[in-house]
Amino acid sequence: DIQMTQSPSTLSASVGDRVTITCRASQSISSWLAWYQQKPGKAPNLLIFKTSNLESGVPSRFSGSGSGTEFTLTISSLQPDDFATYYCQQYNDYPYTFGQGTKLQIK
Amino acid sequence: QLQLQESGPGLVKPSETLSLTCTVSGGSITSSSYYWGWIRQPPGKGLEWIGTIYYSGSTYYSTSLKSRVAISVDTSKNQFSLKLSSVTAADTAVYYCATATVTSLAYDCWGQGTLVTVSS
Repeated sequence: DIQMTQSPSTLSASVGDRVTITCRASQSISSWLAWYQQKPGKAPNLLIFKTSNLESGVPSRFSGSGSGTEFTLTISSLQPDDFATYYCQQYNDYPYTFGQGTKLQIK
Repeated sequence: QLQLQESGPGLVKPSETLSLTCTVSGGSITSSSYYWGWIRQPPGKGLEWIGTIYYSGSTYYSTSLKSRVAISVDTSKNQFSLKLSSVTAADTAVYYCATATVTSLAYDCWGQGTLVTVSS
């Protein structure tokens, strides 16, 4: 199985900050990586697919980059609604796997 | 607009089989435009992919669960289902059904999730 490792596990930041979350795969997944946002008690919400493609309706302050084994999710200017947990997921190969999550909290 | 809704027992006894159904509305379960999946989340923990089924009937499962899991489609009811046998307390989780379009290939539509507790 492909292991997905996110860093950091917890990130404290302020409104207006630029933040970056990293996701590393244990082997190459080409560009088959997605990012999800999850708020407490809610289902995850797809933000970005295939590394850098913004899902419809997702604000442009979210962006993704990378390829192979290293990927990043960047939020250019944090908004109050962005404090949540973020997960990466590889879908290059079965079984699909998720990262362990990054909790973005208010500093 | 596709919508998904999970249903099934909220409490299952240890060693029994967990059975959940996901009802699809706003689209056809037989469409080649989608594939269907199950993901779970133990309380306070991260997401765990369980498996997926294609319109062709092909299935793919988690390595750790594949000896106990089965996903199937009921075209007459526009539903897909999850069965997980020989459950233990470690299977207690919120179970989500989700779908991916052939455009994104990522899970872009999710059910609200249903909590299943394994306890006697």
